[in-house]
Amino acid sequence: KAGVTQTPRYLIKTRGQQVTLSCSPISGHRSVSWYQQTPGQGLQFLFEYFSETQRNKGNFPGRFSGRQFSNSRSEMNVSTLELGDSALYLCASRPGQPNEKLFFGSGTQLSVL
Amino acid sequence: GQQLNQSPQSMFIQEGEDVSMNCTSSSIFNTWLWYKQDPGEGPVLLIALYKAGELTSNGRLTAQFGITRKDSFLNISASIPSDVGIYFCAGQRNNNDMRFGAGTRLTVKP
Repeated sequence: KAGVTQTPRYLIKTRGQQVTLSCSPISGHRSVSWYQQTPGQGLQFLFEYFSETQRNKGNFPGRFSGRQFSNSRSEMNVSTLELGDSALYLCASRPGQPNEKLFFGSGTQLSVL
Repeated sequence: GQQLNQSPQSMFIQEGEDVSMNCTSSSIFNTWLWYKQDPGEGPVLLIALYKAGELTSNGRLTAQFGITRKDSFLNISASIPSDVGIYFCAGQRNNNDMRFGAGTRLTVKP
């Protein structure tokens, strides 16, 4: 079974631009979560999608948004990029019920210049 | 966000030594997970625990779900250089709410 796939692997953007990251979950998984990871803040929860609906949301500004498609693939968008948005963005999937294992992708390393 | 207290923050050990790290919380969790992350990669699931008091092993790794459901421990026996990385704990409640520890950075000297 293929794991969680994230694209692109690396991205360099400039301030003010916008970016879209993509995540394909493990086949059969309907829940996709997004996390931001920085050396100083650790893993910060962005949001979770289940069956095309946002189920949970972390404390991030509205510049961070996401969506999920009918095939469970998910995209995350960040508009008006700031220097502080530089981070490793991780996507994780699980079947969708409570107390299930969460599996992570390799992440997208975003650098904002 | 992080509501789990993970310690120690970092460890420097000699190859062959055993390692212990733990996570504590003021809240009760129904599931505890332990992950390992290599630089520039996503966390990889090591062990999942589902019941208070449960003790589970994965090779040289052993983890325990605390009896109070507010803590968990991970032990690595006979460490080797490839054990180097950051280890994260994660606790999950029934409402799909998952919290992570800040990580323990492990360095193993040959």
